[in-house]
Amino acid sequence: LAKTTQPISMDSYEGQEVNITCSHNNIATNDYITWYQQFPSQGPRFIIQGYKTKVTNEVASLFIPADRKSSTLSLPRVSLSDTAVYYCLVGWDAGNMLTFGGGTRLMVKP
Amino acid sequence: DTEVTQTPKHLVMGMTNKKSLKCEQHMGHRAMYWYKQKAKKPPELMFVYSYEKLSINESVPSRFSPECPNSSLLNLHLHALQPEDSALYLCASNPWEGAGTDTQYFGPGTRLTVL
Repeated sequence: LAKTTQPISMDSYEGQEVNITCSHNNIATNDYITWYQQFPSQGPRFIIQGYKTKVTNEVASLFIPADRKSSTLSLPRVSLSDTAVYYCLVGWDAGNMLTFGGGTRLMVKP
Repeated sequence: DTEVTQTPKHLVMGMTNKKSLKCEQHMGHRAMYWYKQKAKKPPELMFVYSYEKLSINESVPSRFSPECPNSSLLNLHLHALQPEDSALYLCASNPWEGAGTDTQYFGPGTRLTVL
């Protein structure tokens, strides 16, 4: 299973763009990259998923370079409600996309 | 219905009690999971059921006993727990369609306290 490494924590201010990078040096050819958001005492929530290049949805963008050894979650114009832990997971199907790394604790300040 | 529900929301039990956690989904998903999450730590996988059969057991102590009565329901039976088992217990489901695009849908969790 591809191991992931993320910064432990990040601080930002309301209205700023936040970029959280995840390293996954031993990602396999078939692996997808998935990001989840978790608020305290709640279950993680799916944010975005991608395989290569760039993916964008109404919540975030995911940038994946050609070598796919890292990925960057981009949250545009964050608000206080984006304060949460963000997890990056790597895997190729439901059977092995199961190991959560340490996650990044994002604190958005007014 | 696009959610995973878990009951109870909170549970306090003594070390000699027997209790059960319940998880339900009506999305037709073929895989269901139990995770344990301690404070400020990531979720840790405990069990995976796919097509109602236990497919992964991450060396969980026998005081935790999972059960999948049907494709929509997942239980976790608890007996003789220890105080260190206090945690948030999360249930998740997944379509299990064999594609890399499968994602997990998590329930809100049960906050368990063992006295």
